[in-house]
Amino acid sequence: DAGVTQSPTHLIKTRGQQVTLRCSPKSGHDTVSWYQQALGQGPQFIFQYYEEEERQRGNFPDRFSGHQFPNYSSELNVNALLLGDSALYLCASSFGGETGELFFGEGSRLTVL
Amino acid sequence: EDQVTQSPEALRLQEGESSSLNCSYTVSGLRGLFWYRQDPGKGPEFLFTLYSAGEEKEKERLKATLTKKESFLHITAPKPEDSATYLCAVRSNSGYALNFGKGTSLLVTP
Repeated sequence: DAGVTQSPTHLIKTRGQQVTLRCSPKSGHDTVSWYQQALGQGPQFIFQYYEEEERQRGNFPDRFSGHQFPNYSSELNVNALLLGDSALYLCASSFGGETGELFFGEGSRLTVL
Repeated sequence: EDQVTQSPEALRLQEGESSSLNCSYTVSGLRGLFWYRQDPGKGPEFLFTLYSAGEEKEKERLKATLTKKESFLHITAPKPEDSATYLCAVRSNSGYALNFGKGTSLLVTP
């Protein structure tokens, strides 16, 4: 049973560029949440997608956007990258989104130079 | 605004030396307090959910407890493989997001 898979695992971008991160949820899960984890910090909630709609959004600027596809996979897009966007981006899946028992992927490590 | 504070930031234990990690929280209507374990370079791994004061959950050498203001993660006779960062998170009745603390980095030496 495949768990949550994320791609790419590592990437390096320069300021002002755009990036797209991808996530496939655990089999049977229909809800995807994205978190940003800076070094030495806990994960911070970006947004959650359910039934292809953004159900809740955290305190992140509009440069952060996302999408959920009919097969429940999801993308996170970040435009106009800033140095401060360097972090581990975690995707987490769950069923229905009603539980906090999230299954996390191993993350995409983004470095902005 | 929800707030989660974990202490200590780092803890070093000898193998077999029991201890506790603390998670203090303020939340408007608790819909769950969660403990996760995170190994270096990996995503967090779910450990426990607690919903109401007085509730306790156990798994191997770990036991989580909950009061109205804080939660403890007790580690009994830890082994080196218990070394990891332990994260506490709360979910309020205002939505679906988990609000995480900064974590406690635990190192267990042989």
